[in-house]
Amino acid sequence: EDQVTQSPEALRLQEGESSSLNCSYTVSGLRGLFWYRQDPGKGPEFLFTLYSAGEEKEKERLKATLTKKESFLHITAPKPEDSATYLCAVHIWGSQGNLIFGKGTKLSVKP
Amino acid sequence: DVKVTQSSRYLVKRTGEKVFLECVQDMDHENMFWYRQDPGLGLRLIYFSYDVKMKEKGDIPEGYSVSREKKERFSLILESASTNQTSMYLCASTAYGYTFGSYFGSGTRLTVV
Repeated sequence: EDQVTQSPEALRLQEGESSSLNCSYTVSGLRGLFWYRQDPGKGPEFLFTLYSAGEEKEKERLKATLTKKESFLHITAPKPEDSATYLCAVHIWGSQGNLIFGKGTKLSVKP
Repeated sequence: DVKVTQSSRYLVKRTGEKVFLECVQDMDHENMFWYRQDPGLGLRLIYFSYDVKMKEKGDIPEGYSVSREKKERFSLILESASTNQTSMYLCASTAYGYTFGSYFGSGTRLTVV
């Protein structure tokens, strides 16, 4: 069965304290892996797409990396405005287009 | 700027009512999706559509139906609302090929009483 697991469920950081979020996946054939940010009461906001092992993408304080089994979202020197839930999702070859989501990591950054 | 618009942010309906949730996208995307999001369960796919008048069941289609008469509009229908359908409903769209990921609406918080 195709699965996406995110860890930790929740992460509390002090402002400036760098860390990483993990997304491990067990799928039949990965077509793409996506990271989203979701603020309370809002829809997910697209951040990155990764397609192949070794690929990296960066945006401001965020950097996403991909291996054959997992992806990491590295947060460098986070600020309170980075507080949100971060979702990972995979798109599988052979599926029409739907994504399989992990349950997310809730990040809190304290000043 | 990319836009996916859901018609209502909050809805309160009674058990047994027929409920319509509307979603409109302005990006000429082929694919559109309806998810529900519940605490501890994450996002789960209800239905999706890859073309006008085409639809496919997702993981949890029971109790729901959909309609896509025009490319930009995708409607979710709760035939007879029940309390276990109280949830946050999210619409998403994407171009064929997924190059840039899915774009989501702001969500509709539905409460069935």
